[in-house]
Amino acid sequence: DVKVTQSSRYLVKRTGEKVFLECVQDMDHENMFWYRQDPGLGLRLIYFSYDVKMKEKGDIPEGYSVSREKKERFSLILESASTNQTSMYLCASKGMPGTGRGNTIYFGEGSWLTVV
Amino acid sequence: QQQVKQSPQSLIVQKGGISIINCAYENTAFDYFPWYQQFPGKGPALLIAIRPDVSEKKEGRFTISFNKSAKQFSLHIMDSQPGDSATYFCAAAISGNTPLVFGKGTRLSVIA
Repeated sequence: DVKVTQSSRYLVKRTGEKVFLECVQDMDHENMFWYRQDPGLGLRLIYFSYDVKMKEKGDIPEGYSVSREKKERFSLILESASTNQTSMYLCASKGMPGTGRGNTIYFGEGSWLTVV
Repeated sequence: QQQVKQSPQSLIVQKGGISIINCAYENTAFDYFPWYQQFPGKGPALLIAIRPDVSEKKEGRFTISFNKSAKQFSLHIMDSQPGDSATYFCAAAISGNTPLVFGKGTRLSVIA
């Protein structure tokens, strides 16, 4: 089974702190994603990456950055956390199109971030 | 601009009843339409998916109905069970490396 692991499930950070959310997948997937989930707003794409050292902005990239130095690891960075970034963050990965379940996105269990 | 509109926002269904969740999309280039199921404290997981070359796909008690001309698709859960209580997300994508675009979700409660 595909496993997407988000190392921190629950975090409490102070306003202005730099926050790192780490995600690792074990299926050698090329594509990785960071979504944010808020009640009534669904899943909103922050950033995605289709290869090592590559990144693309999603729908709500402001206030976030990402890093993908290794294929299996995709990090989300909040440079200066703010209270409006309190949310659940979901990491996901996907294989190449045309390969088995290449369109299937696999999600981690989420990281709940509270900024106070 | 919301590319995938999902309704209703919440749904209460009696055990044994049929749950129906609807989605509408705008981009006619979308060619992959999955539904994801999310239980509390967990990440979403793929439930069932359809491509626009078929009008219906069934897997067990779950069926996707697809209407290409109306740009709508829906999830039907037959014989709904309390264990089906979860949040359901529809999504759409253009095949390839493009990300999924999700609806806002439907919180389903199946009561005994």
